[in-house]
Amino acid sequence: GEDVEQSLFLSVREGDSSVINCTYTDSSSTYLYWYKQEPGAGLQLLTYIFSNMDMKQDQRLTVLLNKKDKHLSLRIADTQTGDSAIYFCAAPAGGTSYGKLTFGQGTILTVHP
Amino acid sequence: EAGVTQFPSHSVIEKGQTVTLRCDPISGHDNLYWYRRVMGKEIKFLLHFVKESKQDESGMPNNRFLAERTGGTYSTLKVQPAELEDSGVYFCASSQVGGRTEAFFGQGTRLTVV
Repeated sequence: GEDVEQSLFLSVREGDSSVINCTYTDSSSTYLYWYKQEPGAGLQLLTYIFSNMDMKQDQRLTVLLNKKDKHLSLRIADTQTGDSAIYFCAAPAGGTSYGKLTFGQGTILTVHP
Repeated sequence: EAGVTQFPSHSVIEKGQTVTLRCDPISGHDNLYWYRRVMGKEIKFLLHFVKESKQDESGMPNNRFLAERTGGTYSTLKVQPAELEDSGVYFCASSQVGGRTEAFFGQGTRLTVV
């Protein structure tokens, strides 16, 4: 089955860029996702990338996909204190449902002034 | 439109007791998923309903866990009897059937077994 790995912690200064990295094992994954969990809240889908793309940009977010290395990254430009949260990388776990996902452990992003 | 709602938000029970978690999906979403995150670890898939039918329950840890979705609306997840290792955050998600559709997650139920 799919295995997803992430670094656990990232600390950045407000205004800097944040880069959160993720590796996965199943090269047949069609979509790869980034979810965000703020304190006391549920998981919010931030963005996703289709496997035939190398990059996707959405405002301050840039997703890079290296299929050869099975490496996914999320870059947040001009990081703000409100970006402090846990970020999860996720890939479809197989089967017929896109909602069955394999998640990484989550990266705790801390943004300090 | 109301999102995915989970009850309770927190539950603290003693080992050996029974707890029932509830999830109300977004209206019209036939897909309903349960996930669990044990402290500091990854979020793991438990099971998937399509309407009232269990489509995939490969992630259920053992027979102390029972999930139901009578009538294809809300779902319950019962843990009986609860063990210490069942502590964690239980998430529910729902989505529409068909294609790559986003799964919307609830805020989770934090279960602590003492």
